[in-house]
Formats: sequence, structure tokens, C-alpha cells
Amino acid sequence: NAGVTQTPKFRVLKTGQSMTLLCAQDMNHEYMYWYRQDPGMGLRLIHYSVGEGTTAKGEVPDGYNVSRLKKQNFLLGLESAAPSQTSVYFCASTKRGTSLSNQPQHFGDGTRLSIL
Amino acid sequence: DAKTTQPNSMESNEEEPVHLPCNHSTISGTDYIHWYRQLPSQGPEYVIHGLTSNVNNRMASLAIAEDRKSSTLILHRATLRDAAVYYCILRDGLGGGGNKLTFGTGTQLKVEL
Repeated sequence: NAGVTQTPKFRVLKTGQSMTLLCAQDMNHEYMYWYRQDPGMGLRLIHYSVGEGTTAKGEVPDGYNVSRLKKQNFLLGLESAAPSQTSVYFCASTKRGTSLSNQPQHFGDGTRLSIL
Repeated sequence: DAKTTQPNSMESNEEEPVHLPCNHSTISGTDYIHWYRQLPSQGPEYVIHGLTSNVNNRMASLAIAEDRKSSTLILHRATLRDAAVYYCILRDGLGGGGNKLTFGTGTQLKVEL
């Protein structure tokens, strides 16, 4: 059972470089999310998507872009990496529930990104 | 979004029950109470959720106060593998806004032999 798969698992970048983090889910979920987690803190939402071709800003969107061209994939891009973006990035997905129902989010194992 | 308050850390001995408290005094009528846990170096994992009634599943039980202003996650027999950060999160049951989760800092559970 693959669930939510994130690639790469680790990456080191230099300031100013760009990169894309890939999230893939095989559960046919409508909603997908990107979070970041800094040491000793809870997860903070960067961007999310409620369906193919749609994205929305979360709590900390600055410095990131996202795209959802296919339902199963959600890409997170850093155009010009900064040391402040050193963090662990988690992707999650969930099924769109009916009104008053709640579906759990399923998380990947994270991408550990260091920016020097 | 309504906020939750949890202790920063708790300790338990293996094989003993653990009661993890959560206060959510500003909870609204449509907010579900969700619990996730995060094991070291892993992504969060769904544990349980409920609205008004107590809930049980294979991982844990959720006891919800009658006024819904607090809840308790119960691990019936803690094991070393239960050592994790436990997050109590309120989630709007109306589903608007993409069903987002807002994580606090959670409770770090330490389990000792």
C-alpha cells in the first residue's frame, strides 16, 4: 500500500537554487496539502488543493508555488531557496467527505530540505 | 479556528493506560475533535476523531466531555511504540476551506519500561 509518496526524501540546496518537491497519492483523493515543520513546532500549512487544476494559499505560502495538473500529484516549488526554508516538508491527502463528515488526512514520510 | 490546549509532555510506564487531555473551550457545534500522532522522523498519523459521543477504535479511545469543551485520548496499554507527539485538532465538519488541519505543538508522550 503506497498511500502518499514524497520525493526526494533528502535534499541539500544552496541559497538561490530552485527545486520541486513531488507528492503522489494513489488513493484517488480530491484534496492535497503541503505542510512544513520546523524543529519543536507543529506543522504549518503552505498551500493546498481541493481538486485538479485548483490551488489555494495556506498559513505560510510566501516563497513557494504549487501546481496540481493531475489529481494524483501535487508539486511544491521553491523558485529561489532561502536558508529560512530549511525544514521538513510533509504532503498529505484526504478524500472529500459529504457535509458534516470528516475524512482523515494521510501523510507522507516527509522531505528533509537543508538550504545553505 | 477554535484553539486547543494540551500539556507539553507526559510520561507513562509501559503496559499502563495513558490519558492525554485536550481543552477546547471555544469549540463550535460543527467542530469535530481529531487526534493525530507523529512518531519520530515520520509524518503524522491519524488516530481517532469524534463529534459528541465517545469513540473507540483499534488504536485508542476518545472520551468527550458532555459540554464538549474538553476531551481525552486514552491509550489502554501504552507500549514503547506509542512514544510520539500527540496532536488534538478541531476540524470544521462543514467541510469548507478544504478541510484544513491546524496543528499546535501537541503533547510529547514518553513511555518507559
